[in-house]
Parts: sequence; C-alpha cells; structure tokens
Amino acid sequence: GAVVSQHPSRVICKSGTSVKIECRSLDFQATTMFWYRQFPKQSLMLMATSNEGSKATYEQGVEKDKFLINHASLTLSTLTVTSAHPEDSSFYICSARALGDGHEAFFGQGTRLTVV
Amino acid sequence: AQSVTQPDIHITVSEGASLELRCNYSYGATPYLFWYVQSPGQGLQLLLKYFSGDTLVQGIKGFEAEFKRSQSSFNLRKPSVHWSDAAEYFCAVGAYSGAGSYQLTFGKGTKLSVIP
Repeated sequence: GAVVSQHPSRVICKSGTSVKIECRSLDFQATTMFWYRQFPKQSLMLMATSNEGSKATYEQGVEKDKFLINHASLTLSTLTVTSAHPEDSSFYICSARALGDGHEAFFGQGTRLTVV
Repeated sequence: AQSVTQPDIHITVSEGASLELRCNYSYGATPYLFWYVQSPGQGLQLLLKYFSGDTLVQGIKGFEAEFKRSQSSFNLRKPSVHWSDAAEYFCAVGAYSGAGSYQLTFGKGTKLSVIP
C-alpha cells in the first residue's frame, strides 16, 4: 500500500523557536496533502489542505502566519510552526491523497511536538 | 457540510467476544466512508473503505463494515476480538465541497479496551 513518511516523530523545542515537520509520500505522487492537529484523547482537526504548487487553504481559526505550509513537490509537504508556544504542543498528523485516486488518503505516523 | 457521529466514546469487550462500533454520518449524497485505527502515539491505519457497490465491505485484521443508507450508518464489526485490537477507532467521511475541494471529516473516535 501507499506509504507516507512523517518526520520527526517527536520534537521538543524552546518557546519562541520554529519547528519544521516534513511529510513525504514515498511510493506515490500526492496532489493534495492535509495537515491535522490532534489533542489528547480527541479527534483529528483539519488545519489546512495543501495542493502542490499552490497556496494552502487554511481552516477557520488556524493562523496561516503561524503554521506555514509548503507543498513544493508532488512528494513533499512541510509544516512549520513559527514562534512556537507551549499551547502549540500537540500531535500533528499529515495525510496525502494520491494523484488520480480521488477519495482515499494515507496517513503519516504523526509528530509529537512539545514546546517548553 | 458533512459530519460524523461516533456515539460510543469508550467500549470494553472481552477477548474473543464480538464487537460492533457505531458510526452515523450526515451528508446530502452518498459519501465515501472509512474506518481508521490509531494506536497510541501513532498515525492512522486504514481498516476499510466504502465507495460504492456491495454494502458489506471487508477490511484488514478481520474487520468488516456495512453501509446502510436508510440509517446513514457505517458500523464496524469483528466477530472475535483479539487483545491487539485495543486502540482508538475513527470513522471518517470523505466528500467534495461546493467549491470542488475534497475533505475528510472524522468522528470523535471510540476507544476500544480488551479484557483478557
């Protein structure tokens, strides 16, 4: 099956610094990638949808200047949490939708971000 | 907009017992339906999906789900639960918005505990 690799799996950073999370589709081309945030014991909340070569579409309430998304190629999307604060600590998950396959999304392993 | 309801937050079953996890959705047309499983600190793994055709779909790990249009339901079942099935289960609906963008909407999840 299709594989999505997300890196790093865990990261601890100091308040005020920026953190970049990578999401790669390893064996397929992904026209669309999704970024989710998951709070403890809660469901996945869609943050933004990114299409290769164009600006990401952010969900209501998500600060686009804080959560920078880049989808520069058909196999890579990045999420950068800028000027991170403790309240940004969360589990971030990406998923990718394959080129030509309209309905199914494949998920990365997730990144546990802790801001201290 | 679509929505997903998983009425059971937490279910506990004995190993070897049967399992049914409930999922109801709200959407104006036939949606694309998914069940995912998440182990602690991990991403999501697709168990099964329904796009069209036979309303009873088989998935991995012995799971199956039945799409019932009249009840707007897509319940997940397994005849005999194994201890390794303990995890969080998410039902999701995929649908296109009026603007043509595709989105997955998740239920809040059901945590499954298995008693040896």
